[in-house]
Amino acid sequence: DAGVTQSPTHLIKTRGQQVTLRCSPKSGHDTVSWYQQALGQGPQFIFQYYEEEERQRGNFPDRFSGHQFPNYSSELNVNALLLGDSALYLCASSPQGLGTINEQFFGPGTRLTVL
Amino acid sequence: DAKTTQPPSMDCAEGRAANLPCNHSTISGNEYVYWYRQIHSQGPQYIIHGLKNNETNEMASLIITEDRKSSTLILPHATLRDTAVYYCIVRASYNTDKLIFGTGTRLQVFP
Repeated sequence: DAGVTQSPTHLIKTRGQQVTLRCSPKSGHDTVSWYQQALGQGPQFIFQYYEEEERQRGNFPDRFSGHQFPNYSSELNVNALLLGDSALYLCASSPQGLGTINEQFFGPGTRLTVL
Repeated sequence: DAKTTQPPSMDCAEGRAANLPCNHSTISGNEYVYWYRQIHSQGPQYIIHGLKNNETNEMASLIITEDRKSSTLILPHATLRDTAVYYCIVRASYNTDKLIFGTGTRLQVFP
C-alpha cells in the first residue's frame, strides 16, 4: 500500500513565477492538508481540502491556493513567488473528515527554492 | 501558536530509554496529546496519542500526568535511527484535523 506521495521532490523557481505542487493521499484517505516548513521551524498549516473544497485555512495569503480532485489527490499553487516562499512543502492525508482523531500521514515533501 | 513547550534538544545513549518531556498547561478537557517525529529531510511521522490514560504501542509509551498539564514520551530502547525532531501537539478531537507544530525537541542518540 503506497503512502502519501508528492511531486516533484525538488523545484527551483525565480521570484514572481508560479508553482504547482502535487499530492496523492494514502489509499482510503479523503482529506488532504498542506503544510509549509521553513528551515529550522516546525511545519505551518496552510489549508485543508475535503470533498473537493477548502475546509480550513491557516494564516497564508491568497497567493496560496489549492484544489482537490474527485480521486482525492490535491494540488497546491503558489503565485507571484517570493524569496520567503522557499521551504519544504508537506502534504498530509487522513481517512475521515472533520472531528476525527485519526493520525495524519505525511508525504516526503517538496523542497521549493525561490531565487 | 503552539500550546506546548518542549526543551530544544536532548541527548541519549543508544540502548537507553529516551524520556522526552512536554508541558501543555493550558490543555482543555477535550484535547488530545499527540506526538510526531521528523527524521531529517522527511515528512513527520505519527508516533502515539492519548487523552488522559497512559498509552503504549510498538514505537513508544506516552505518560500523561493526572492533571494533564504535562506528558512524557518514552522510547524504551533508543537506537541511532531514533535521532530526530520530536513534536508534542495538543489537538481537539471535535474541532479540526490541523496540527499546530512548535519547534520540537531535537533528540540526538549517540553510540
